[in-house]
Parts: sequence; C-alpha cells; structure tokens
Amino acid sequence: DAGVIQSPRHEVTEMGQEVTLRCKPISGHNSLFWYRQTMMRGLELLIYFNNNVPIDDSGMPEDRFSAKMPNASFSTLKIQPSEPRDSAVYFCASSLAQTAAIGYTFGSGTRLTVV
Amino acid sequence: AQTVTQSQPEMSVQEAETVTLSCTYDTSESDYYLFWYKQPPSRQMILVIRQEAYKQQNATENRFSVNFQKAAKSFSLKISDSQLGDAAMYFCARYTQGGSEKLVFGKGTKLTVNP
Repeated sequence: DAGVIQSPRHEVTEMGQEVTLRCKPISGHNSLFWYRQTMMRGLELLIYFNNNVPIDDSGMPEDRFSAKMPNASFSTLKIQPSEPRDSAVYFCASSLAQTAAIGYTFGSGTRLTVV
Repeated sequence: AQTVTQSQPEMSVQEAETVTLSCTYDTSESDYYLFWYKQPPSRQMILVIRQEAYKQQNATENRFSVNFQKAAKSFSLKISDSQLGDAAMYFCARYTQGGSEKLVFGKGTKLTVNP
C-alpha cells in the first residue's frame, strides 16, 4: 500500500492566487481528514469526510477555503484567494470510520508558502 | 473546548537515557482513545503508541511506554534507551468515540537526543 498520497509536496504562490492541494487516501478507507499545522496553533482539523460526504467543516477558517471529495479516492482543498497567513503545512489523513479509534494514517503533507 | 495540553515545548535527553513527555487532556466522554504521534524532520506523522481509556493496563511498544492516569486525565510517554533517531516532535492526541469523532492534538514537544 502506498499510503496517503498528497501533492504537491511544496507550493509557493503569490498572494491572491488560487491554490489547490490534493490527496489520495488509502484504498478502502472511508474517512478523510484535512489538518493544518502552524507553529502558533499546532495541528488543527479543518474538515472531515465520511463516505465522501463532509461531516464537520467547523474548522475551515473562512469562505476562502473549500474542500471536495468527488469520489472515494480523491479529495482537494482549495484556497481562493490565498493570503500570507495561509502559509502552513497541510496534512491529509485517512481511516476506516469503523476503526478510526485505531488511529489515522497521515500523508507527508504539503508545505504552502504564500508570498 | 475539550483540549489536549503538552506543557513541555522542548525536552532533551542523552542517548541511551530515559525521557518522559507529559500530556494532559480534557474530556467529558467515557469512551475515548489516546495516542502519541512522532513527527521527524521529514514531516511524516508516525503513530507511536495507542491507549484505550477503558483499559487500565498501560500500553507498551518496544522502548515506548505510557503512564495512563485516567482520574488525573494524564497520559505521559516514556522513551527508554533513547536513540538519535528518536529526535522529533511528539504529539499527544485524543480521539473520542460517539462525540465529535475526530483526533484532537496537543501542540507538541520537541525532543532532542544528545550523543
């Protein structure tokens, strides 16, 4: 199993541009999570999906952020327009909903820098 | 908000010695799980050890063990015979079943291992 795959690994963009982060969960996992990691706030859950349906998006900071999961093997997190304060590492994680208590499997993260 | 607190931003240990990382948490649920994740410089989030709240016996994984004090809501990680490869950020996390089913993280402890 290739694990959770995120792309790109690094992204540098200019303020105001649209940014799309991508995630491929582990095959068979039906829960997917997007986290943001910053020095100040640590790891924050932005949104999670069960069976491709968004369950809790209360962590999404504002309307500039949106996430989709069009099928069980792909999810995107989009920021439009991007701002310097969005600079962070964004992680995607997946699990089986029935066994989420075993722990999540994380991707390697996307380091986003907005200049 | 139900939180996870790691009071030690940084710790250091000599190679081959033992170190304990602290974590306290808050929850009103009776069914929950606790985790320690390791994040080396590669950025990958690696599950180190897991504890079910209903189990009194402390979890162990090779050189890693926990001291779970349920009444005190304390969950510390002990690393024995520390190795240079143990140097990383360590995150304590709580997963609550039946409530807001998501993994909530502490802000992390940076562990340095000195040769």
